[in-house]
Amino acid sequence: DAGVIQSPRHEVTEMGQEVTLRCKPISGHNSLFWYRQTMMRGLELLIYFNNNVPIDDSGMPEDRFSAKMPNASFSTLKIQPSEPRDSAVYFCASSLGTSDYNEQFFGPGTRLTVL
Amino acid sequence: GENVEQHPSTLSVQEGDSAVIKCTYSDSASNYFPWYKQELGKGPQLIIDIRSNVGEKKDQRIAVTLNKTAKHFSLHITETQPEDSAVYFCAAYFFSGGYNKLIFGAGTRLAVHP
Repeated sequence: DAGVIQSPRHEVTEMGQEVTLRCKPISGHNSLFWYRQTMMRGLELLIYFNNNVPIDDSGMPEDRFSAKMPNASFSTLKIQPSEPRDSAVYFCASSLGTSDYNEQFFGPGTRLTVL
Repeated sequence: GENVEQHPSTLSVQEGDSAVIKCTYSDSASNYFPWYKQELGKGPQLIIDIRSNVGEKKDQRIAVTLNKTAKHFSLHITETQPEDSAVYFCAAYFFSGGYNKLIFGAGTRLAVHP
C-alpha cells in the first residue's frame, strides 16, 4: 500500500495567490482529516470528512480556507487568497472510521510558504 | 474545553538512557490515548496506544502508563538509540460534535546523543 499521498510536497507562493493542496487517502478508508502544523499551535485539525461528507469544519481558520472531497479517493484544501500567516505544514490523514478509535494514517505533508 | 498538555517540550538523553514524556488531559470521559512519532520531513506515525481499561502497555522498548484518576498518561522509552530521535506527540480522543475527535499535545522533541 502506498499510504496517504499528498501533493505537492513543497509549495512557495506569493501573498494573495490561490493555493491548492491535494490528498489521496489509503484505499478503503472512509474518513479523511486535514491538519495544519505550526511551531506556535502544534497540530490542529482543520476539517474532517466521513464518507466524503464534511462532518466537522470548526477548525477551518476563516473563509479563505475551503476543502472538498468529490470522491472517496481525492480531497483538496484550498486557500484563496493566501497570506504569510498561512505558512505551515499541512497534513492529510485517513482512517477506516471514527467509531472505534481507528488509527489515523498521516501523509508526508505539504510544506507551504507564503511570501 | 478539550485539552492535552505535554511535557517536556524538549528532551535530551544519552544513548542507552531512558526517556519519559508526560501528558495530561482535560476530559475524564476520554478513554483512548495514542502516541505518535514524527521523524524529520515525515508525517506522524502511531507507535503505541492505550485504552482506559488497562493501566500499562508495553511493546519492546516502549511502554505507556495511564492513570485515569489523575487524567495523566506517560510514554517510557528504555535503552534509547539514536534512531529514537524524533518529535513525539501524545493524543486523546474526545467525543465532540457526534464523533470521537483526536486532540494532540504540543509535542516533545527527543534527542538521543551517541
